[in-house]
Amino acid sequence: AQSVAQPEDQVNVAEGNPLTVKCTYSVSGNPYLFWYVQYPNRGLQFLLKYITGDNLVKGSYGFEAEFNKSQTSFHLKKPSALVSDSALYFCAVRDNSGAGSYQLTFGKGTKLSVIP
Amino acid sequence: DGGITQSPKYLFRKEGQNVTLSCEQNLNHDAMYWYRQDPGQGLRLIYYSQIVNDFQKGDIAEGYSVSREKKESFPLTVTSAQKNPTAFYLCASSRGWSNEQFFGPGTRLTVL
Repeated sequence: AQSVAQPEDQVNVAEGNPLTVKCTYSVSGNPYLFWYVQYPNRGLQFLLKYITGDNLVKGSYGFEAEFNKSQTSFHLKKPSALVSDSALYFCAVRDNSGAGSYQLTFGKGTKLSVIP
Repeated sequence: DGGITQSPKYLFRKEGQNVTLSCEQNLNHDAMYWYRQDPGQGLRLIYYSQIVNDFQKGDIAEGYSVSREKKESFPLTVTSAQKNPTAFYLCASSRGWSNEQFFGPGTRLTVL
């Protein structure tokens, strides 16, 4: 079984400060990891993914994430937060040991509020 | 949201009625998905389809049905058997199983 946890329901950060949104996962094989962002009453937008290779992944809007296999984590980061980054962020995982398995498991989401 | 459309944006239904939510994509993706989103619970998978004329149940398929007669279309029917249908429904598609999913704008269903 695969699972993902986002331990913080809400993260508050001042504009211009660095931000981190945490994610840990559990899979039996190797993980495929994704981050999505959702603005109110909208669908999810893809930010970045880790499939293999470099542990530091760069994505859209200046976001990046670091894959840490020993800690089973995939935290989302941005060096300088903008008010427009305020949204709901979802981490998702798929176990790549089941070839052809299309099911993606999402965390419950973390609400990011960037304070002017 | 580009490439995937969902309609309607808002839908109201009386108890005991079936209702069908539309999802269309022009991305030429093989795989399509339906999720339900409730506050504080993230996204839960209802059904998914890897190719035309084939689909599988997700984690919460009871009270829902789907069809996949065309590659571009994956409609979801919420039946009267679904005990708590009020939610935000999201459709998604992907090129393959290791690729990211692209989401539609969602349909908010309210049962009156």
